[in-house]
Amino acid sequence: GQQVMQIPQYQHVQEGEDFTTYCNSSTTLSNIQWYKQRPGGHPVFLIQLVKSGEVKKQKRLTFQFGEAKKNSSLHITATQTTDVGTYFCAGPGGSQGNLIFGKGTKLSVKP
Amino acid sequence: DSGVTQTPKHLITATGQRVTLRCSPRSGDLSVYWYQQSLDQGLQFLIQYYNGEERAKGNILERFSAQQFPDLHSELNLSSLELGDSALYFCASSGAGGVLSEAFFGQGTRLTVV
Repeated sequence: GQQVMQIPQYQHVQEGEDFTTYCNSSTTLSNIQWYKQRPGGHPVFLIQLVKSGEVKKQKRLTFQFGEAKKNSSLHITATQTTDVGTYFCAGPGGSQGNLIFGKGTKLSVKP
Repeated sequence: DSGVTQTPKHLITATGQRVTLRCSPRSGDLSVYWYQQSLDQGLQFLIQYYNGEERAKGNILERFSAQQFPDLHSELNLSSLELGDSALYFCASSGAGGVLSEAFFGQGTRLTVV
């Protein structure tokens, strides 16, 4: 079935450093979503990308969807301790609308 | 507050037992998804319902079953529980049956099988 691969699994950064997580699919995705899960919390929707080559920004977060719609990335500029958590990408699992999540990238930020 | 309510928040039960997890979706949302998250693991898709009908199935064990009721709330039944079933179970809801819709997650039910 549809799978989205996400790397790295863990990332430890010093506060102020940048962070990037990557998501890859073997098949073309109609769209991709990104979620953040804080420690002890539940996943919270961040953004959805639909168009080939799309780039969206939310303050220090930049989301990209590849030209072939098979990969995506989330880049955080100048990380802060509030960025700590696990970031998941999610793509459609089929034509029925279910969401398949990558394994996530767990970000820790050292003050 | 996502608007998705899951009960109970915590559940401790013995191996071999059966439990039912409940989810009330956001008002108006027709789709309900169930996910399993084991310690430091990703979100494993179990099953999706849309307006009362099963829409998609993931890696859901035969010991697990789910349903969505006419009022759109959903229940996930886990039977013959094993230690490995200990996990966080999330319910999520979304408005549309298609893929172009963000999912809203509940707080989860933490199941511990002893």
